[in-house]
Formats: sequence, structure tokens, C-alpha cells
Amino acid sequence: DIQMTQSPSSLSASVGDRVTITCRASQTINIYLNWYQQKPGKAPKLLIYAPSSLQSGVPSRFSGSGSETDFTLTISSLQREDFATYYCQQSYTTPHTFGQGTKLEIK
Amino acid sequence: EVQLLESGGGLVQPGGSLRLSCAASGFTFSDYAMSWVRQTPGKGLEWVSVISGGGGSTYYADSVKGRFTISRDNSKNTLYLQMKSLRADDTAVYYCAKGHRVVVAGTNLDYWGQGTLVTVSS
Repeated sequence: DIQMTQSPSSLSASVGDRVTITCRASQTINIYLNWYQQKPGKAPKLLIYAPSSLQSGVPSRFSGSGSETDFTLTISSLQREDFATYYCQQSYTTPHTFGQGTKLEIK
Repeated sequence: EVQLLESGGGLVQPGGSLRLSCAASGFTFSDYAMSWVRQTPGKGLEWVSVISGGGGSTYYADSVKGRFTISRDNSKNTLYLQMKSLRADDTAVYYCAKGHRVVVAGTNLDYWGQGTLVTVSS
């Protein structure tokens, strides 16, 4: 199985900061990397896929990049509503494993 | 508007069985792969299973293989997860999620249900 490792596991930042979360796959996954945002008590929400395409309705301050094994999610200017947990997921091959999550907290 | 509504969760004893359902609306159900993802309270997301749009291809996480069966009824726009030999570590919120394409490979999960809680305990 492909293992997905996110870093950091948690992150404190302020409104207006630029934030980057990384996700590394244990083997190549081509471009099949997705990013999700989850807020407490809510279902995850797709933000970015393949790995730089913005899902419809997602603000342009979110961006993704990478290929093969190394990927990043960047939030260019944090807004209060962005404080949440972020997960990467590979869909290159089953099982479509998730990273362990990155909890983004307010500093 | 895409809607996914899970049902069937509840309390079950270890070794028991449960069938989850996910009623879909707002899209052509048979045109998209569907997945189940679970989340232990306070923990991360765990991918469980996926089925192609036509139902001919199914895949499972090792942790549930041989115990869980994913299926779909495209005439009823409904996804199922039959769970048997349940264990305490199957306790989680189970989400159904829509893929963005009919095949399994390369799909993302663009819409999610609200989840249904399964608790395995004596």
C-alpha cells in the first residue's frame, strides 16, 4: 500500500499568513493527489485535485502543486474560516490512502 | 444539488452485522464511482472501499477485506456497505462520497454525505 505522510501534523498561524502543507507519497502517484478540508463535526470538503486543479467554489487563495511523490498545499493569505484540518489523499492505486492530517490552528 | 444521505448506523455487538445505505440525488448515479470513508472520533480519515459506476469493479482496504461488501443499486440511486464480523476497531463515522468519474482510478471525492455513526460494543 502507498503511505501518505503529511507535515507538519499541526501548525499555528495568524490571519493573513501564507501557509504551506506538504504531503509525501511512499511511491510515485503521478498527479493523482487530492486535498480536503475538514472542520469539526463536518464532512470533509474537496479543495484541490490532480494536484493543482481548484474545485469549483473554492477560493483562489488555495493552491496545490507537485508530482510523483512530493506535493504541497498553499494558502496564500489565511482567513479565519481556513482554520481546520487538512488531508491529502492519493487515488493512483487502491487503497486510496489518506495522510494523517494537518491541524491548522489560530496563533 | 448533489445530496448524499447515509443511514443504517447504530450500536452493534462485536461479531455482529450491519448494512449502511447511502441515498443519492442530484446527479446521474450510475455515471460515477462511489466510495466509503470512515473516521474514528477524534482521529483521521480512513479509506474503506470504492465501487465503479457500473458496479463491476470493487476494492477494499485490507482492514475490512473479507468482512465488508460494497454494492450499489443504480435503479434506486443507492450505495450500500454490508458489514459483517464487526470489531471494536470498526467503530467510526462512516461517510459515503461521490467520485468525479465513472472509473475508480484517479478519482477524487467531490461530494460527501453527513456520515453515520457505527458503534461496535458489548
